[in-house]
Amino acid sequence: DVVMTQSPLSLPVTLGQPASISCRSSESLVWSDGNIYLSWFQQRPGQSPRRLTYKVSNRDSGVPDRFSGSGSGTDFTLKISRVEAEDVGVYYCMQSTRWPFTFGQGTKLEIK
Amino acid sequence: QVQVVESGGGLVKPGGSLRLSCVASGFTFSDYHMKWIRQAPGKGLEWVSYMTGSGANMYYADSVQGRFTISRDNAKNSLYLQMNSLRDEDTAVYFCASMGKYDNEKNWIEDVQHWGQGTLVTVSS
Repeated sequence: DVVMTQSPLSLPVTLGQPASISCRSSESLVWSDGNIYLSWFQQRPGQSPRRLTYKVSNRDSGVPDRFSGSGSGTDFTLKISRVEAEDVGVYYCMQSTRWPFTFGQGTKLEIK
Repeated sequence: QVQVVESGGGLVKPGGSLRLSCVASGFTFSDYHMKWIRQAPGKGLEWVSYMTGSGANMYYADSVQGRFTISRDNAKNSLYLQMNSLRDEDTAVYFCASMGKYDNEKNWIEDVQHWGQGTLVTVSS
């Protein structure tokens, strides 16, 4: 199985400051069609997960542009340019290139 | 207005069975692959199973293979998860969600995902 490793697992951030979460896969996520099926999800307390980005850097409809995804091969990053109070929650990366699809352990973002 | 609503969770004894249902509206259900994801209390997200839009193909995590069966009824815009031989470690909130679809040129499109609110399954004696 593809192992997804996130860091850090806990991320205290001051309001208005940037934040960055890393996700590393145990093998390449490039599929035979040339795409990389790497997504980022946000789960606010008590809510269902919500996808933020897909295929590395495509932002979902309604997601603020302060969220951006990047990366290639086995190393990926989710960046928040200026953290707001509503960004508190747990963030997961997920690969859907090779079955079984797998999530990272999650990164808990909190406000300092 | 898109809606995905799960139901069927509850308390069941180890070795027992439960059937989860998921009803979707507001999008062309039959076009979309659909998935079940679960989250044990205080833990992360785990893939359980998914099924292609036509229902022709299904995939299972090793942890549920042989015990769980995914199915769908496109006429009813519904997805199901039959769970047998339940174990303590199956205790979790189960989420139903859309994945993506193939366009007319067989390109994989995952431009939108719709998630339900989840249904809690508790396996305990």
